[in-house]
Amino acid sequence: SSELTQDPSVSVALGQTVRITCQGDSLRRYYANWYQQKPGQAPVVVIYGNNNRPSGIPDRFSGSSSGNTVSLTITGAQAEDEGDYYCNSRDSSGNLVVFGGGTKLTVL
Amino acid sequence: QVQLQESGPGLVKPSQTLSLTCTVSGGSISSGSYYWSWIRQPAGKGLEWIGHIYTSGSTNYNPSLKSRITISADTSKNQFSLRLNSVTAADTAAYYCARGGLVGAIYFDYWGLGTLVTVSS
Repeated sequence: SSELTQDPSVSVALGQTVRITCQGDSLRRYYANWYQQKPGQAPVVVIYGNNNRPSGIPDRFSGSSSGNTVSLTITGAQAEDEGDYYCNSRDSSGNLVVFGGGTKLTVL
Repeated sequence: QVQLQESGPGLVKPSQTLSLTCTVSGGSISSGSYYWSWIRQPAGKGLEWIGHIYTSGSTNYNPSLKSRITISADTSKNQFSLRLNSVTAADTAAYYCARGGLVGAIYFDYWGLGTLVTVSS
């Protein structure tokens, strides 16, 4: 089991706002990153360092952190946002890289 | 623009060694402060960090695989490689190489397309 816990699936109506969460004790101390993965493709980072958006990522993607939980928020979800989303950070020792189990986002 | 490309056999027999190479273009693996990483994903499952080699040459491995893996770099070819010994069917997965940067935690900003490795006799 992963040190970072994500809900397996989340759905959102087209144009609405959705929050995807990632929980873990290490998140109290370390930043987290978020990746979007579409079928048959490599993951793409959408948020790094808790709340930084790489160039080319739409501004409807945002990240936040509170206690042991980090969140990825998509404001005004689009059909192309469907896919799997993974968080990653350090493990509780701070020495290793860990990923959450992933959340499948469905846009209705 | 940094690009990474994995190469290696798509089929490996059980108990043998899986060997993959990642060729990097658009940037030097010996410059900057990056974690040249391997990540895998079994079909239909999540991402698993395998390990990395830092720009300086130091390595760090997933403890669950540590006894079986070696990550090395060939700076003259701008490549880094993964060797995974004594493979079993559980090692069947898509293997990705990626570049890791550090902002509090390592994040992967460039990825290869991935290569599927099947362990089967």
